[in-house]
Amino acid sequence: DGGITQSPKYLFRKEGQNVTLSCEQNLNHDAMYWYRQDPGQGLRLIYYSQIVNDFQKGDIAEGYSVSREKKESFPLTVTSAQKNPTAFYLCASSGEITGRNYGYTFGSGTRLTVV
Amino acid sequence: KQEVTQIPAALSVPEGENLVLNCSFTDSAIYNLQWFRQDPGKGLTSLLLIQSSQREQTSGRLNASLDKSSGRSTLYIAASQPGDSATYLCAVGGNTPLVFGKGTRLSVIA
Repeated sequence: DGGITQSPKYLFRKEGQNVTLSCEQNLNHDAMYWYRQDPGQGLRLIYYSQIVNDFQKGDIAEGYSVSREKKESFPLTVTSAQKNPTAFYLCASSGEITGRNYGYTFGSGTRLTVV
Repeated sequence: KQEVTQIPAALSVPEGENLVLNCSFTDSAIYNLQWFRQDPGKGLTSLLLIQSSQREQTSGRLNASLDKSSGRSTLYIAASQPGDSATYLCAVGGNTPLVFGKGTRLSVIA
């Protein structure tokens, strides 16, 4: 079945450490996205990519980095510059940025906790 | 900048009741509107997608309507069940990635 796989499900980060969250899709979607979810805050856009080797900052990109070397993969690195990284991270993909025809498909999320 | 508001933030109803969740957005220049369901600690599951040229979409007991001119959408759930308990999120799509509301947390009491 086609879908989006996020790993790991749970991740613990020590102060000053960089960690990478994985996101892989087999839907043949061009566009991929990373959102952050905090209690009571809704989903906020971190980064998105419309095509391989290209990506744009979202509303809260500071302290994060991404790469898009393959169509299927869009990993997110949470750097030590991100002061409050504890949150639920969601990856999504769509056939086109607007999601006009088929909308967005989401993965099951990664819960990151600073210890 | 697009802003999406969902009212109410939380709702508790007895089983069997019909209910309406509301979503409003500030910029009517949208391509589509998507309703999602989220269970605690889980990802988002798409429920309904309404394209800008459409007025409503139906799936089983769910019906979503869209009024672009007034910047509003409603999600109607018929004959609610305890299994419908979840958070429901509304998101609008335009030239930029989906913008989300904060959601409505629904509890259906048996």
